[in-house]
This record gives sequence, structure tokens and C-alpha cells, in this order.
Amino acid sequence: ETGVTQTPRHLVMGMTNKKSLKCEQHLGHNAMYWYKQSAKKPLELMFVYNFKEQTENNSVPSRFSPECPNSSHLFLHLHTLQPEDSALYLCASSQGGRWRTGANVLTFGAGSRLTVL
Amino acid sequence: AQSVAQPEDQVNVAEGNPLTVKCTYSVSGNPYLFWYVQYPNRGLQFLLKYITGDNLVKGSYGFEAEFNKSQTSFHLKKPSALVSDSALYFCAGDKLVFGAGTILRVKS
Repeated sequence: ETGVTQTPRHLVMGMTNKKSLKCEQHLGHNAMYWYKQSAKKPLELMFVYNFKEQTENNSVPSRFSPECPNSSHLFLHLHTLQPEDSALYLCASSQGGRWRTGANVLTFGAGSRLTVL
Repeated sequence: AQSVAQPEDQVNVAEGNPLTVKCTYSVSGNPYLFWYVQYPNRGLQFLLKYITGDNLVKGSYGFEAEFNKSQTSFHLKKPSALVSDSALYFCAGDKLVFGAGTILRVKS
């Protein structure tokens, strides 16, 4: 275990469903991230939260809605997804405050494998 | 904006042979560069990073990477590959942009 826990590990949903992905870290980090991993494509940074404030939304469709109630928890709410949204969604955390300098090392969770039917 | 590229989808190497996984970068100024590894059904794990200083960076599990400014490269290397090194390797840069990954297969 890396210290970043993601649930559920696997999720199958229809296009009209509403579901949520959860991420939890107890590393004392203050920055949390959502990435989308699709085969043979670069990891896509979706959202960044730094000290609970959203600091990056990388042109992500509104059918993905993040929530960060505190520095230890991060959610990704999903609704009316499309089949092309099927992917592995990775949560990561790092020391906060300096993420824009790009020097922070990320600790990743194992990911949530999402399949949209 | 910074970007990184991994020109090889897959690298095959025999156990005991040296391995190289390639990464090139595009950035203005001094780059921050990282290597991560992903084993099956696991998240990415940090291997090493270059911020400044020595061009040869040593990391976990015997891996090292050489920063080459003239060639804008940051190739990952290991002198003697193990079967257990088989995994997906990602190069990353400033603002945490990642490459597409390179599958490393080490055969016994």
C-alpha cells in the first residue's frame, strides 16, 4: 500500500447512472490530483486541489465533478458518462503549496477501473 | 508549455543485459524531470527525479537516469535487467505532464 487508497477498484455503470470515486490519503499531504489513464496515451491531468482549493481544471467535461472536503479526501462524481470515458482513474497526492513548481513527487493510488456501458 | 515524449511503446531486453528506456522533453528554462513505474494493477511509483545538479541521477531498485541538456533527453537506465523490472514506465516533467508510457519486458 502506498498510503493513497482508492475505492471502488472496479466500477461498471450505464450512461444514465450517477456514481462516485473516492480517494483517501493519510500521508499529511495537502495537494491531491485526479488523472485519467487510457491505453497508449499520456496520463491526463484532470483536477488539482491544493489545500482544499481547486487550482486546476484541465478542460474536463462537466459530467465529471470533483469534490475535496478536506486535505485527506477527494471525490470524483460521475454522471451521464460516455463509453469513451472508460479508463483507469488515478488519484495522487503530494506536499502542497509548491505544486506549480513541478518539483513535488506524487504518491499514487492503485486506481479505479471504470467501464461505461 | 512543457511536454515529454517517450518514443518507444515497448522495449524488450534479456535478463542480465543493460536496459534503456528513452524520454525526451521540450521546455523553456530548466526542467524538472521524473521517472515513475507502474506494475500491473498498481498505481504509479516514483523512481527518481532531476531538479538540478548532477546530470546522473540514481533512484530506486538500481535505476538511474542521465539528464542531457544538449539532446533534451532524460533516459532511464539500469546496468543489468531483472525479470521483475517488467512494467510500464512513465517519464514526467514540470507541472506533472506525463508521457504515454513505455512497456518494458525483460525475458529470462
